Amino acid sequence: GDSVVQTEGQVLPSEGDSLIVNCSYETTQYPSLFWYVQYPGEGPQLHLKAMKANDKGRNKGFEAMYRKETTSFHLEKDSVQESDSAVYFCALSDPVKTSRDDKIIFGKGTRLHILP
Amino acid sequence: ETGVTQSPTHLIKTRGQQVTLRCSSQSGHNTVSWYQQALGQGPQFIFQYYREEENGRGNFPPRFSGLQFPNYSSELNVNALELDDSALYLCASSFKGSGNTIYFGEGSWLTVV
Repeated sequence: GDSVVQTEGQVLPSEGDSLIVNCSYETTQYPSLFWYVQYPGEGPQLHLKAMKANDKGRNKGFEAMYRKETTSFHLEKDSVQESDSAVYFCALSDPVKTSRDDKIIFGKGTRLHILP
Repeated sequence: ETGVTQSPTHLIKTRGQQVTLRCSSQSGHNTVSWYQQALGQGPQFIFQYYREEENGRGNFPPRFSGLQFPNYSSELNVNALELDDSALYLCASSFKGSGNTIYFGEGSWLTVV
């Protein structure tokens, strides 16, 4: 079945460092890809998305490129800030399958803690 | 603020009991989905309701059931609670259609003892 893998459970960059959070996916179809962010005490909220191969999602200095050839959607930022600290979830939905139920499949999440 | 409200925010139940969680969707949205998020994990899809009918279901047993009302609000019911049901239960609303953004509420924390 469809799945999303995030290899890092936690990353601890210092403020100003560059960042890459890895995400790979597995599906038999052509999914839409997302990064969600979750702050303490809140539900996940959409951070950025890419709907098809070679699209790049962007938001607040973060970017992620939809790479079909490597089935990846890594989250990147040139210079992180303390306010970026949160849990980030990579996720996918399959437009063909979700014509029925709009289901989103999430990875386990990566906790980003920015050191001052 | 997503406009999705859930109640209660926290509750504690005993194994074997039943629980009902409630969700009000964002204005204009006609679809409600429920997700279970265990501690340290990503949300897992339980089911979705559209036009007051179940419209898709994840890998959850029948003791997880739900309702959607004419005003698009929804309930999640869990019978015969087990310790492993302890989790954050998230409601998400959207307008039906591929590619439309879903909006999550803040969730209901359920602890089963």
